[in-house]
Amino acid sequence: GENVEQHPSTLSVQEGDSAVIKCTYSDSASNYFPWYKQELGKRPQLIIDIRSNVGEKKDQRIAVTLNKTAKHFSLHITETQPEDSAVYFCAARRGSTLGRLYFGRGTQLTVWP
Amino acid sequence: DAGVTQSPTHLIKTRGQHVTLRCSPISGHKSVSWYQQVLGQGPQFIFQYYEKEERGRGNFPDRFSARQFPNYSSELNVNALLLGDSALYLCASSFSGYEQYFGPGTRLTVT
Repeated sequence: GENVEQHPSTLSVQEGDSAVIKCTYSDSASNYFPWYKQELGKRPQLIIDIRSNVGEKKDQRIAVTLNKTAKHFSLHITETQPEDSAVYFCAARRGSTLGRLYFGRGTQLTVWP
Repeated sequence: DAGVTQSPTHLIKTRGQHVTLRCSPISGHKSVSWYQQVLGQGPQFIFQYYEKEERGRGNFPDRFSARQFPNYSSELNVNALLLGDSALYLCASSFSGYEQYFGPGTRLTVT
């Protein structure tokens, strides 16, 4: 099956700085890579995703980049705010497996005011 | 438009008991997936149903079973509960198989 590794496990930044979280995957058949934000006691919330036919996608302060050759993808958050503090999970989906997502172990992001 | 709903919110059970968790997907979504999230880890895939058929099963014992109803809602059943089954159980619905939207989860505690 697919194996997704996520780094770092914790990340602390000052408000206004950028934050980058990196994930690697093992299965070259994976073609969909979502990112979820989970605040304490709440549901994982889809914040951005990218498909394998695209190298980069942006949505306001959030961007995701994908390197299919190296099998890694990254989440970039610019101009961080305290409300960005949460656990972020990356995930990968193999080609034909419909709903099955393989998740990383998560990154606890803390943004200090 | 209502999001994914799950019931109950919290549940406390004793070892050996049985539990049924329920999920209602977003209107129009025909795919439902179940995940188990242990504290400090990412969600782990349990089952996926599409059009009432099982389309995928994760590495969980046969004590775990699920089904999807004609209205696309779903149930997750766990028999002979163990302490290690204590976790947050998440349901996710999808229209296309790409974007998956999670419900609030059911927090199961086994004592």
